[in-house]
Amino acid sequence: GENVEQHPSTLSVQEGDSAVIKCTYSDSASNYFPWYKQELGKGPQLIIDIRSNVGEKKDQRIAVTLNKTAKHFSLHITETQPEDSAVYFCAGSSNTGKLIFGQGTTLQVKP
Amino acid sequence: DGGITQSPKYLFRKEGQNVTLSCEQNLNHDAMYWYRQDPGQGLRLIYYSQIVNDFQKGDIAEGYSVSREKKESFPLTVTSAQKNPTAFYLCASSMDQGGNQPQHFGDGTRLSIL
Repeated sequence: GENVEQHPSTLSVQEGDSAVIKCTYSDSASNYFPWYKQELGKGPQLIIDIRSNVGEKKDQRIAVTLNKTAKHFSLHITETQPEDSAVYFCAGSSNTGKLIFGQGTTLQVKP
Repeated sequence: DGGITQSPKYLFRKEGQNVTLSCEQNLNHDAMYWYRQDPGQGLRLIYYSQIVNDFQKGDIAEGYSVSREKKESFPLTVTSAQKNPTAFYLCASSMDQGGNQPQHFGDGTRLSIL
């Protein structure tokens, strides 16, 4: 069935370093891939998304890359700051109108 | 401000009791969703609705029920048949019924057992 795998489950970096989170998907028909940031006690917030007709998208310190052939996509955060600490979720679209979410990555940025 | 409002923020359920979680959106979105979040398990889809007066079961619908009588409202009832209801419940909405639109989330309701 449809599945999205996300790695790593936890990630700790020093402030100013880069962080990379990777996801793979199983449904070759998936064409939309959003990333969400969830802070403690809050709902997930969309931070960036990419569609299958592009390979990379950037928004200031965050970027997402997509490799359709390999069916994987990644979130890159540069110059990390303590306020980037949160849980990050990737997701992939399905042809049934649903998003399939990864298991989440807890990012800790140490000052 | 446009957005999704979930209430209450915290809810307690007694044995054998049904409880209803509220979700309201003023984004004029057609599609709405309910997710359950347990530690380390990501988001699991309970029910979703692509249009008023229609809804479909998600991956873990047993013990839950929903209604969609108005476009802006999608309440979730956790019934006494749900034996492990303690979790964080998230409501979301998206512009249309396709899977290729961003979903916007509320800030959740945390349900606990008394």
